[in-house]
Amino acid sequence: NAGVTQTPKFRILKIGQSMTLQCTQDMNHNYMYWYRQDPGMGLKLIYYSVGAGITDKGEVPNGYNVSRSTTEDFPLRLELAAPSQTSVYFCASSYGTSAPKQFFGPGTRLTVL
Amino acid sequence: QKEVEQNSGPLSVPEGAIASLNCTYSDRVSQSFFWYRQYSGKSPELIMSIYSNGDKEDGRFTAQLNKASQYVSLLIRDSQPSDSATYLCAVNILGGQGAQKLVFGQGTRLTINP
Repeated sequence: NAGVTQTPKFRILKIGQSMTLQCTQDMNHNYMYWYRQDPGMGLKLIYYSVGAGITDKGEVPNGYNVSRSTTEDFPLRLELAAPSQTSVYFCASSYGTSAPKQFFGPGTRLTVL
Repeated sequence: QKEVEQNSGPLSVPEGAIASLNCTYSDRVSQSFFWYRQYSGKSPELIMSIYSNGDKEDGRFTAQLNKASQYVSLLIRDSQPSDSATYLCAVNILGGQGAQKLVFGQGTRLTINP
């Protein structure tokens, strides 16, 4: 199993550009999550999904959109990138039981200039 | 009030000593608690989970939970330089549509000095 994979690893965007961060898991997990981590800080939840076709906002959803058309994939869309979105983005997945052990992807380091 | 609080450190501990990391949380109904280790430039890795009051031991790691005091701690015995990392405390909360969400503390940076 590859676990949780993310692409790209690094990206530099100009202000106002858009992009999609890809996330795929091969563990048949029903729950998937997107976090951002700013330097020296913990992880903040952007969006999450409890299954295909079902998504919900986390703590910091503004400026982002998600979709979940399959169990495996959970892309994160940035529209009109802003410098405040410079961060490291982590995708995670879990079985979604009452004891949610989340497995993380390697992350995407995004810089908006 | 932050939902999960940790001292950001840095915490410096000599090799072979016990490292003690602390975390407090605000949601009294939380039932699951986790410690993740994050090396610089890497993703978080789950190292301990604890669900009931008391101690849980796994090798050199011991997690301690006190729900009455809303307090979770992680002890690392016989600290090694390879334990140098940021340790993130995470607490599960119930989200919309029955989702189990994790709220993370800001992390404690631990350095083990040879």
